[in-house]
Amino acid sequence: GAVVSQHPSWVICKSGTSVKIECRSLDFQATTMFWYRQFPKQSLMLMATSNEGSKATYEQGVEKDKFLINHASLTLSTLTVTSAHPEDSSFYICSARAQQGSYEQYFGPGTRLTVT
Amino acid sequence: AQSVTQLDSQVPVFEEAPVELRCNYSSSVSVYLFWYVQYPNQGLQLLLKYLSGSTLVKGINGFEAEFNKSQTSFHLRKPSVHISDTAEYFCAVSDRSTGFQKLVFGTGTRLLVSP
Repeated sequence: GAVVSQHPSWVICKSGTSVKIECRSLDFQATTMFWYRQFPKQSLMLMATSNEGSKATYEQGVEKDKFLINHASLTLSTLTVTSAHPEDSSFYICSARAQQGSYEQYFGPGTRLTVT
Repeated sequence: AQSVTQLDSQVPVFEEAPVELRCNYSSSVSVYLFWYVQYPNQGLQLLLKYLSGSTLVKGINGFEAEFNKSQTSFHLRKPSVHISDTAEYFCAVSDRSTGFQKLVFGTGTRLLVSP
């Protein structure tokens, strides 16, 4: 149980275009989903926290207009990187929490974004 | 703000040898502690967690960790490693300041197991 999927697993896009990454909880309802960014050989940095049906809460330094997060249902959250640039190239990982007050996050397999 | 330190960026070890991966955190308030493993181009898999109770926590794949409040440490150990344990290991902490809702990760330790 507690499986989280991400799609696509790998994407290449041209500079200036937008790309959408999906995060789905397959066998549970996720009241909260988290989006992380991981640079090569570095740790995960929390970008934002999204709760179903409400606006995402972004961490300091993360541009909310560039990284659009939508959490429209209890099993799906999307991250859209708008007007992507090469410096946005990274590994994006989502996680999901099953219920309010739960302290465990279940992680997706990640999406590698390369902007050319 | 909470911070997590993993002093060793890389730990080489021979197969069947014991290993310890170190993790220290900064906050003295109540904490929850986690160790995750990441294989290449994959997400994170939970190895073990400490929420309360016994300070010695056993996880999957033969790993265990010990919570030491006085030293603010949560070192990961395995008595005998396998080639398949080669991966990146992340220590993570959540604390009362965020209602235990947010994870702060260390920079990771790459475990390299050789024959």
